[in-house]
Amino acid sequence: AQKVTQAQTEISVVEKEDVTLDCVYETRDTTYYLFWYKQPPSGELVFLIRRNSFDEQNEISGRYSWNFQKSTSSFNFTITASQVVDSAVYFCALSEADSNSGYALNFGKGTSLLVTP
Amino acid sequence: DARVTQTPRHKVTEMGQEVTMRCQPILGHNTVFWYRQTMMQGLELLAYFRNRAPLDDSGMPKDRFSAEMPDATLATLKIQPSEPRDSAVYFCASGLGLGQGSSPLHFGNGTRLTVT
Repeated sequence: AQKVTQAQTEISVVEKEDVTLDCVYETRDTTYYLFWYKQPPSGELVFLIRRNSFDEQNEISGRYSWNFQKSTSSFNFTITASQVVDSAVYFCALSEADSNSGYALNFGKGTSLLVTP
Repeated sequence: DARVTQTPRHKVTEMGQEVTMRCQPILGHNTVFWYRQTMMQGLELLAYFRNRAPLDDSGMPKDRFSAEMPDATLATLKIQPSEPRDSAVYFCASGLGLGQGSSPLHFGNGTRLTVT
């Protein structure tokens, strides 16, 4: 069975600090996909990134970066120089890649990030 | 910008009433998902469809919930009869798949259901 653990329930930082959100996953599949979604106070779920299990290259997008390490089954998310607008709940998710059974996302419980001025 | 559209955005109803939530997936997307979000359980998968056929609805309470896709532009989630424990935000998401040419799941803004 798939499982996604986000051990940090809430994080509070001051603006301009760097912050890392942890995500640890469990799966028996060799092919899978990992995701991060952002849920701002308005409630919608916003896609941030998708990574497949064969691509361990780290990715950077502006102030956001992701560190995928299969050896530790982790897919951590770092926000550099955080801003108040980064305040949101962030979800890590895992999906199998079996097209016959669908590819439903299995979400972690989320990490609530509060960035204060 | 293509979007997943969900209606209604908010619904307040009394216990025992029927509730129908609607979702218009992004045009061309062939997979539709229904998720429920609560404080206690987080985001739970209720059901999903590919090419309008139900693939899995094991996450749904079968006695009161039903999900359908009458056509490619409409997915519905129905609760009959509703109960206070059904109060949650219900999200619809659509996508194209995970292989070559695929897209990530795009979520609607959700339907916030309150059952009194």
